[in-house]
Amino acid sequence: QKEVEQNSGPLSVPEGAIASLNCTYSDRGSQSFFWYRQYSGKSPELIMFIYSNGDKEDGRFTAQLNKASQYVSLLIRDSQPSDSATYLCAVIKAAGNKLTFGGGTRVLVKP
Amino acid sequence: GAVVSQHPSWVICKSGTSVKIECRSLDFQATTMFWYRQFPKQSLMLMATSNEGSKATYEQGVEKDKFLINHASLTLSTLTVTSAHPEDSSFYICSARNSGRAETQYFGPGTRLLVL
Repeated sequence: QKEVEQNSGPLSVPEGAIASLNCTYSDRGSQSFFWYRQYSGKSPELIMFIYSNGDKEDGRFTAQLNKASQYVSLLIRDSQPSDSATYLCAVIKAAGNKLTFGGGTRVLVKP
Repeated sequence: GAVVSQHPSWVICKSGTSVKIECRSLDFQATTMFWYRQFPKQSLMLMATSNEGSKATYEQGVEKDKFLINHASLTLSTLTVTSAHPEDSSFYICSARNSGRAETQYFGPGTRLLVL
């Protein structure tokens, strides 16, 4: 089992719809969770981080964390073609300081 | 805020030469920086963790004598690829951890290395 798992996609979403991305992790003691967006040929850019169970909203993005079920998700509302990218879930495990990345989910927003 | 720069953005070199890549945190102090490598259509692979004033911690399988890391100040870490070969051609990305913002890491724009 991979430490951080994501569906590789592509996740095809019509413009204006909600894109829902999921991520599961294996280390139950993980404390910090991050979503990064990576455009082709570019480095990752931070979208959101979340530490507590529940929802966290920032603009069109909502991160949801459920530590009991060991999953974290990202919702993108009103999806735009510019949201087409690979979304990376990353976790900092207990007593660690480095990010463990999932393989990423490729999202395609079609006009 | 939280800007990380890398230099150079592109480098082409001959096999056998050494290449130095700089990573700077421009508006915050980073006691810890990380170096990643990414091959086409693959995910990021952590190479090493760089701590200011101490030796870097390398991930399993990464040759520390080939990939020299120096983190001499709170805003600068360098990665030197020694005696580069074509198989070292990759996208090298650094990240810096903003200690003042919990454990958030911010990535530099990356350096594309092509070894001929």
